[in-house]
Amino acid sequence: GDSVTQMEGPVTLSEEAFLTINCTYTATGYPSLFWYVQYPGEGLQLLLKATKADDKGSNKGFEATYRKETTSFHLEKGSVQVSDSAVYFCALMEYGNKLVFGAGTILRVKS
Amino acid sequence: GAGVSQSPSNKVTEKGKDVELRCDPISGHTALYWYRQRLGQGLEFLIYFQGNSAPDKSGLPSDRFSAERTGESVSTLTIQRTQQEDSAVYLCASSLVRGGLNEQFFGPGTRLTVL
Repeated sequence: GDSVTQMEGPVTLSEEAFLTINCTYTATGYPSLFWYVQYPGEGLQLLLKATKADDKGSNKGFEATYRKETTSFHLEKGSVQVSDSAVYFCALMEYGNKLVFGAGTILRVKS
Repeated sequence: GAGVSQSPSNKVTEKGKDVELRCDPISGHTALYWYRQRLGQGLEFLIYFQGNSAPDKSGLPSDRFSAERTGESVSTLTIQRTQQEDSAVYLCASSLVRGGLNEQFFGPGTRLTVL
């Protein structure tokens, strides 16, 4: 079945550092790909999405490019802030509107 | 407008008891989803309701789990004879379903602890 694998955390960075959180997926078809974020004490929010190969999703300085050849959707940000500290989930949607999530990656940004 | 709401926010119960979790979707959203998030793991799909169609129950882990939804409104997830492995955060999401991608909006979750 479909699955999502993302890098284990926690990831600890200093403010203004470059962020990469790796995400790879397994799917039988051509899924849509998502990054969700869960800030401390808050619900899960959609951060960005991409629906087809080579699409780039972007929001709040974060970017991810749908790479079909490597089945990847890595999350990047050029300069992280303390307020970016959260749990980040990579997910895919293929059939029936069901989301399949990775295990989540905790990001801690220190000032 | 109001987002997805869930109640209770926390529930502690004893092994063997039944629990009911409630989800109020965003008004007008035709689709409703339940997910489970166990400690250190990603979210697992449980069940999906879309309008008057038969629900997709393919993610329910056992027959102790059931869910209902009345029309396009409130949904309840029931866990009978709870076990310790049922301890998790139960998340509800809703979406409009129309052509193309349907963004799911999540509630804050119910944290269930089975002692």
